[in-house]
Amino acid sequence: ETGVTQSPTHLIKTRGQQVTLRCSSQSGHNTVSWYQQALGQGPQFIFQYYREEENGRGNFPPRFSGLQFPNYSSELNVNALELDDSALYLCASSLGGAQPQHFGDGTRLSIL
Amino acid sequence: DQQVKQNSPSLSVQEGRISILNCDYTNSMFDYFLWYKKYPAEGPTFLISISSIKDKNEDGRFTVFLNKSAKHLSLHIVPSQPGDSAVYFCAATIKGGSEKLVFGKGTKLTVNP
Repeated sequence: ETGVTQSPTHLIKTRGQQVTLRCSSQSGHNTVSWYQQALGQGPQFIFQYYREEENGRGNFPPRFSGLQFPNYSSELNVNALELDDSALYLCASSLGGAQPQHFGDGTRLSIL
Repeated sequence: DQQVKQNSPSLSVQEGRISILNCDYTNSMFDYFLWYKKYPAEGPTFLISISSIKDKNEDGRFTVFLNKSAKHLSLHIVPSQPGDSAVYFCAATIKGGSEKLVFGKGTKLTVNP
């Protein structure tokens, strides 16, 4: 069984640029969530997708957007990058309901 | 306002002894709690969970205790092993583990041989 995979593992961008991060969910998982983890902090919920529809959003501005595809893989897009966007971005998938979320290893995004 | 708090940034224990990691929450709507373990350069790994209808859940060396009246939960690891050295995150959610998780800042556990 393949777990959650994320790409790329590392990325360096400059302020004002745009970035797309990708996530393949664990086999059979129809729910994908994205989290941002700043240094020294716990992961913070960005949004969740369930069967290609956004299903909840955290306290992040509209320049953070996402997509979920029919195969349940997902993208996180961030426009107009700011220095504070430097963080580890984690994707998690689950079967829904009481089932726990399983995380990928994340994408480390650095903004110069 | 931090709804899930892990007040100890770090904890050091001897191999074979008990590790106790603590977590407090403020939102009384939370009804499902999870512990994740994170090694450097890896994503968080699910460890154990507990529903608010229980006060204890056990899985091998790991036991989670929930005190709803105190809004407090703890993770006990017995016996502790050097491979348990990692950052442990407490997370809470409403309606089940697949919903939005609210995390604490984590506690770094070091188990010394």
